[in-house]
Amino acid sequence: ETGVTQTPRHLVMGMTNKKSLKCEQHLGHNAMYWYKQSAKKPLELMFVYNFKEQTENNSVPSRFSPECPNSSHLFLHLHTLQPEDSALYLCASSQDRGGKGFGYTFGSGTRLTVV
Amino acid sequence: EDKVVQSPLSLVVHEGDTVTLNCSYEVTNFRSLLWYKQEKKAPTFLFMLTSSGIEKKSGRLSSILDKKELFSILNITATQTGDSAVYLCAATIYSGGGADGLTFGKGTHLIIQP
Repeated sequence: ETGVTQTPRHLVMGMTNKKSLKCEQHLGHNAMYWYKQSAKKPLELMFVYNFKEQTENNSVPSRFSPECPNSSHLFLHLHTLQPEDSALYLCASSQDRGGKGFGYTFGSGTRLTVV
Repeated sequence: EDKVVQSPLSLVVHEGDTVTLNCSYEVTNFRSLLWYKQEKKAPTFLFMLTSSGIEKKSGRLSSILDKKELFSILNITATQTGDSAVYLCAATIYSGGGADGLTFGKGTHLIIQP
């Protein structure tokens, strides 16, 4: 484990279902992120939270709804998804350490299949 | 629009060979360049580069950044089958808030044959 835990590891859902992805970080970081990784495309940034406030929404459709109740937990609520939303969803956390570097850690991801 | 381009997209070599992976970037307010290795799911951190011309090394891996020409290379010497993975390059920018999304390239899929 990397210090960032994602559940579930795999999820199959129908287009009318509602499900949620969960991410938890044990690193004391202040920022958390959602990324989408589709086949043959670069990792795409979806949302950024800093001290549980959303600071970036990268033009993500409203069928993806993030929630960050505190700096350690991040959720991605899913509803009425499309088959093209099938992808690996990665959570990450980071801490700006100024001159000592920029710690950025990924979770193992949730493999989502929309049927 | 910020952009990171990696080449080649895939590479097959034999064990013991040396490989060089390339990454060029065009981003506004560039801060640093990161290299990751992705074997199954979680990308794992390799290097962070912020200064030009200073080589970073970790065992058989090394990387360097050229901020004038806007590119970085990742070298792997004496490759082993365990080096087979997708190598990702990403750029960070100064956003002032301490929470920076990364702009990734598509990755280089490296396969090391025994």
